[in-house]
Amino acid sequence: GAGVSQSPRYKVTKRGQDVTLRCDPISSHATLYWYQQALGQGPEFLTYFNYEAQPDKSGLPSDRFSAERPEGSISTLTIQRTEQRDSAMYRCASSLRDGIYEQYFGPGTRLTVT
Amino acid sequence: AQSVTQLDSQVPVFEEAPVELRCNYSSSVSVYLFWYVQYPNQGLQLLLKYLSGSTLVESINGFEAEFNKSQTSFHLRKPSVHISDTAEYFCAVRAGGTSYGKLTFGQGTILTVHP
Repeated sequence: GAGVSQSPRYKVTKRGQDVTLRCDPISSHATLYWYQQALGQGPEFLTYFNYEAQPDKSGLPSDRFSAERPEGSISTLTIQRTEQRDSAMYRCASSLRDGIYEQYFGPGTRLTVT
Repeated sequence: AQSVTQLDSQVPVFEEAPVELRCNYSSSVSVYLFWYVQYPNQGLQLLLKYLSGSTLVESINGFEAEFNKSQTSFHLRKPSVHISDTAEYFCAVRAGGTSYGKLTFGQGTILTVHP
């Protein structure tokens, strides 16, 4: 596609529910990143993919968080048993390859856990 | 590991005034440095970057930043701001000399330009 898209743009869920966020990267991009941005803070790295491979998931806050990219294009981030502290903006970015290539960010998904 | 500190959370200025947004980093290895901008209801956009070479880098809309290794800083400047520069600005760093593109961001600075 022309740019990185994310859906939904806004999600309100009740504590304890599972949520899945979607990222559709630029079609030619091999690398995809997920970041979490709490209110008033900068984005923090969660995990990333090179095609289907997930070399680093060290930023995932707990085992309730998981991400996948089964066909090397669209990626999903799933949060199980959501907690209020999971409320944040979740940002996806893609780049042509890993390394110094520019990361192009999507508009983000604002998650609110009530 | 790297860390980034943006020293000002909010910077209000009048139109056509100069502005400086401060960014300091810490790292045990060489780094690449970036400034991203976020306009209201939009995603982050790369404003400028330092990878190597000249320590002074410029953007197409008049911003510039200078990499100062001794002071571990990468401050963003513009000699005359416009209303349209109102946005949140993020400084970011990644480890140099590796194939790993993970970015570490600062907390952000909200620049508000008043008429």
